[in-house]
Amino acid sequence: QVQLQESGPGLVKPSETLSLSCSVSGGSFSGYYWTWIRQPAGKGLEWIGRVSARGSTNYNPSLKSRVTMSVDTSKNQFSLKLTSVTAADTAVYYCAREEDQLRTYDSWGHGTLVTVSS
Amino acid sequence: SYELTQPPSVSVSPGQTARITCSGDALPKQYVYWYQQKPGQAPVLVIYKDTERPSGIPERFSGSSSGTTVTLTINGVQAEDEADYYCQSADSSGTYREFGGGTKLTVL
Repeated sequence: QVQLQESGPGLVKPSETLSLSCSVSGGSFSGYYWTWIRQPAGKGLEWIGRVSARGSTNYNPSLKSRVTMSVDTSKNQFSLKLTSVTAADTAVYYCAREEDQLRTYDSWGHGTLVTVSS
Repeated sequence: SYELTQPPSVSVSPGQTARITCSGDALPKQYVYWYQQKPGQAPVLVIYKDTERPSGIPERFSGSSSGTTVTLTINGVQAEDEADYYCQSADSSGTYREFGGGTKLTVL
């Protein structure tokens, strides 16, 4: 059973860069897209983007200018960088696995709260 | 940007049928996936490809599709079904993913 675990700072200052990693255990990287999804408190889910095992990426057009995702299969990790953060980026950030054929998010991390504040 | 529209809330009594809709222009071309989210938890897939039910999901959960609207139906709603439900799909190119705004299901 694959398990995903987010890690990174819980507090980021405005205008700085949010950096998160997701560790993957118990599964293969190939055949999946590795995804970041966020959820502000009391609000809905927002797809941030995804990265394939080969490193190809797709980003939410509304965030594209500030987002970079990468994958490190040797470490069984993938990562998210979001630049120039504001209070509007405060949210629970989830990493998830999207199955390539079925397009289902079949595994999720528990989520990590990132607060943007000085 | 591509949008999926859900009602903010649906309320039903135990044992009744709950129907949650999701509308979007690309839905005739793209499948919809439904996720259930309970407070403090990550979402869980309950329906995929409009109508398919993952193993382990109760039979009372079903999905249907008609044109630009898909519907999640929960027959014989139980108290444990009280949660937020999100539809998710892709834009017409199939590249970008989108979630609906979510529907809070309240079991009266």
